[in-house]
Amino acid sequence: DADVTQTPRNRITKTGKRIMLECSQTKGHDRMYWYRQDPGLGLRLIYYSFDVKDINKGEISDGYSVSRQAQAKFSLSLESAIPNQTALYFCATSEGGGSYEQYFGPGTRLTVT
Amino acid sequence: GENVEQHPSTLSVQEGDSAVIKCTYSDSASNYFPWYKQELGKGPQLIIDIRSNVGEKKDQRIAVTLNKTAKHFSLHITETQPEDSAVYFCAASISSNTGKLIFGQGTTLQVKP
Repeated sequence: DADVTQTPRNRITKTGKRIMLECSQTKGHDRMYWYRQDPGLGLRLIYYSFDVKDINKGEISDGYSVSRQAQAKFSLSLESAIPNQTALYFCATSEGGGSYEQYFGPGTRLTVT
Repeated sequence: GENVEQHPSTLSVQEGDSAVIKCTYSDSASNYFPWYKQELGKGPQLIIDIRSNVGEKKDQRIAVTLNKTAKHFSLHITETQPEDSAVYFCAASISSNTGKLIFGQGTTLQVKP
C-alpha cells in the first residue's frame, strides 16, 4: 500500500551494528505497528504505538527499540544486530476506534551476517 | 496469551477448484478474526474479516466461517484462479482490548492453471 512506506527495502548489515528501519504513513492513522515475518512463524508483533506518546512492547521486543517521532513516523532500531534477526520486517497502521483493519507497508528485508 | 494455529502450511489446487484454510485460536475472549493475503514482494492485505457475533460472511468468491464453541474459523475460496496464488494469514484479536492481532503461521496457496 503506497500510503505506508518503509525504508530501506533491503539491508545487509554485520553482526553488532546498530541499524534503523523507518516507516512513514500518509493515512492519518494514530496506531502503528512493527512486525517481523519468518518462514513458518507468520507475523509476530515487535512493538506498537497508539499515539505519539504511547509505546508498547509486543511479543518479541527483546533486542529492538522504537521511536514515534510524529503521528506519521515510527522507526524500529536494532541496537546490536545478530544473525537471528535476519527476517522480513513490516510496518502497519490502523485507524483505531471501531476499525481494526491494519494496512501494511511493503516490508524491509534485513540480513545480518 | 492468545495462540493461533493455521493449517495447512501449503495447499495446491487446480484452477476452478475450492480451497479451504483452517485456523484455531486459544483465547475464548477473542472476537475479531481477519484474513490477510500476501502477494510476492508485498505486505499483507486484508481480504475479509468476521466478528464473533456472526457465523459466516461472504464476499464474492471468498467466505469465512466461525465456530466459537470449537474456537476455529476457516477461509473458503471457490472457483480458484491463478491470481489467488499467495500466502494467506489468519489472525485473532480481542478487539475491545488493544486491537493487537495474533497471526497464524501462514498458508502458501498455489493455484495451478
